[in-house]
Amino acid sequence: DAGVTQTPRHEVAEKGQTIILKCEPVSGHNDLFWYRQTKIQGLELLSYFRSKSLMEDGGAFKDRFKAEMLNSSFSTLKIQPTEPKDSAVYLCASPGTGYAEQFFGPGTRLTVL
Amino acid sequence: GDSVTQTEGPVTVSESESLIINCTYSATSIAYPNLFWYVRYPGEGLQLLLKVITAGQKGSSRGFEATYNKETTSFHLQKASVQESDSAVYYCALGAAHDSGYNKLTFGKGTVLLVSP
Repeated sequence: DAGVTQTPRHEVAEKGQTIILKCEPVSGHNDLFWYRQTKIQGLELLSYFRSKSLMEDGGAFKDRFKAEMLNSSFSTLKIQPTEPKDSAVYLCASPGTGYAEQFFGPGTRLTVL
Repeated sequence: GDSVTQTEGPVTVSESESLIINCTYSATSIAYPNLFWYVRYPGEGLQLLLKVITAGQKGSSRGFEATYNKETTSFHLQKASVQESDSAVYYCALGAAHDSGYNKLTFGKGTVLLVSP
C-alpha cells in the first residue's frame, strides 16, 4: 500500500498569490487531516475530513484557507491570498487502524515572499 | 485545553550513551489519553515511533521505550545506547477523542536530538 503522498514538496509564492497543495491519502481511506507546522506554533490542525465530509475547519484558519476532499483518493488545500506568515510546512495525514494514531505525508514546505 | 511539554533541545549525546527525552502532558478533555512518540529523520516525513493507549503500559520500538505514567502524567522516551542514525526531531503527542469523531492529536514542540560519533 502506498502511504500518504503530497505535492509539491516545495512551493514558493509571492504575497497575494493563490496556491493549491495536494494530498493523496492512504489508499481506501476516506478520512484525512491537514496540519500546519511552524517552529513557533508547532503542529496546528487545519481541517479534518470524515468520509470525505468536512468535520473540522480549524477556526482561526477559515478566512483564507480552504480544504476540499473531492474523492477518497485526493484532497487539496487552497490558500488565497497568501501572506508571508503562511510560510510553514503543510502536512496531511490518514488515520491508522482503530483511529488512534495518524500517518503523515512528507509535507509541503511553503515559502511566501 | 490539552497540552504537551517536552525537553527543549537541542539534546546532544555521544554514540552509545543513554538518552532520555522528557514528556509531560495535561489532558483536560479526557481522563486516559492515548500517548505517542513521533520522529522526523532528516529529509523524511513525520512517522510514528511508538504508541501506548493504556495507562501503566510500556511501548517500545527501534530500541526506544516509553512508559505511560498516569500518576506523574509523563511519557518519557528512553534509549540505553543511541546511534548516530537516531539523530532526528522527536515529538511527544497526546490523543483524545473529539466531538467530531476523530482522535485529536496534540503535539509537543519537538526535541532535536544530535548524536555525535
